[in-house]
Amino acid sequence: EVQLVESGGGLVQRGGSLRLSCAVSGFTFTNDWMSWVRQAPGKGLEWVANINEGGSEKYYADSVKGRFTVSRDNAKYSVYLQMNSLRADDTAVYYCVRGGTTANFWGQGTLVTVSS
Amino acid sequence: QSALTQPASVSGSPGQSITISCTGTSSDVGGNKYVTWYQQHPGKAPKLIIYDVSNRPSGVSNRFSGSKSDNTASLTISGLQPEDEADYYCSAYRGSSTLGVFGTGTTVTVL
Repeated sequence: EVQLVESGGGLVQRGGSLRLSCAVSGFTFTNDWMSWVRQAPGKGLEWVANINEGGSEKYYADSVKGRFTVSRDNAKYSVYLQMNSLRADDTAVYYCVRGGTTANFWGQGTLVTVSS
Repeated sequence: QSALTQPASVSGSPGQSITISCTGTSSDVGGNKYVTWYQQHPGKAPKLIIYDVSNRPSGVSNRFSGSKSDNTASLTISGLQPEDEADYYCSAYRGSSTLGVFGTGTTVTVL
């Protein structure tokens, strides 16, 4: 059974940092791109970042470029999102997703709230 | 990174068919086969229901079908059922070295 379990969300002050983690199981992690997608309260979906199988290619939304960094540890079957200089409009549920172009499977999400 | 355009809401009675449109440009929807559709029930994570314009993952009802014409993709739900009431999002690939883009989302209501 494919599982993606996010952790690391919470309440943070504006300008602060958080690191999200996603532990995966049930598929061969090293064969897949991985992505982060977010959804602000009551709003639509937004691709945030993705990373290729080996970690050498990474792409970011313009809204987070220079502030967020995606990485992965293939030995630990995990993907991460380091979020710095957080702003109020970064408040959202962050989903870990299997796939880079097609989101084949989604985690349950972790809520990040940035207070001003 | 402008979102793809979807109608805000679509409704239908049980048993009817409805279609949700997703309009983009020749750089995304019209430019490749990587158009996907997701279903999201309230408080839940989205679920993939259509990939590569018209393919259904294993386990997804054949009442869901996808198509594309020029820069507009469409999702049709046939034989509408109460459990189809949800938000639906399209997404498209915009080429290498960039992220994809989602649609604005459509709320489906079963009357």
